[in-house]
Amino acid sequence: ILNVEQSPQSLHVQEGDSTNFTCSFPSSNFYALHWYRWETAKSPEALFVMTLNGDEKKKGRISATLNTKEGYSYLYIKGSQPEDSATYLCAGWDAGNMLTFGGGTRLMVKP
Amino acid sequence: SQTIHQWPATLVQPVGSPLSLECTVEGTSNPNLYWYRQAAGRGLQLLFYSVGIGQISSEVPQNLSASRPQDRQFILSSKKLLLSDSGFYLCAWSGAGGSGNTIYFGEGSWLTVV
Repeated sequence: ILNVEQSPQSLHVQEGDSTNFTCSFPSSNFYALHWYRWETAKSPEALFVMTLNGDEKKKGRISATLNTKEGYSYLYIKGSQPEDSATYLCAGWDAGNMLTFGGGTRLMVKP
Repeated sequence: SQTIHQWPATLVQPVGSPLSLECTVEGTSNPNLYWYRQAAGRGLQLLFYSVGIGQISSEVPQNLSASRPQDRQFILSSKKLLLSDSGFYLCAWSGAGGSGNTIYFGEGSWLTVV
């Protein structure tokens, strides 16, 4: 199982602010990194799947980058909106076909 | 298209009572199946995963068990619940064999042990 860590644990921003958070993982034994958006009492929703060093993915105002050599991924949200409030989870796949989730970053966007 | 369902959605059970949460997947065959749990204030913890009928791997020692009696059915059970078993349980599936495969989650089940 990978040791996947996310920071910060929680984040409060004002509407319109741009923000980013970090997911770190061991660079050895890495196969793929996933980002999910999770609203309370709902199913986590897949945002991105990234596998290659230098990958950049974008979905509307949300984007993510991947650095497999140093073992981190950043998730960026441009111009945060109240509806972006959620917990953002990253998860790493290892060689054993296991997906391990980080503890999540809880984002709260104030109107 | 593929769908995943789990039930019940909400459950309040006394300490020491048994548990059965059921999950089924439609529209795919030979999926990998997972049970995750979110305990209060924590992230998602993998409890069990299965790559085929009757094949169950456990990641965390506990008083829970899982079974996969059919290809697209995954059941989480306990003979005697503990207070610490309270939490939000999510069943999930992914395509077989791929580390780049997205995981798709069910609607979740809230378990409160009293």
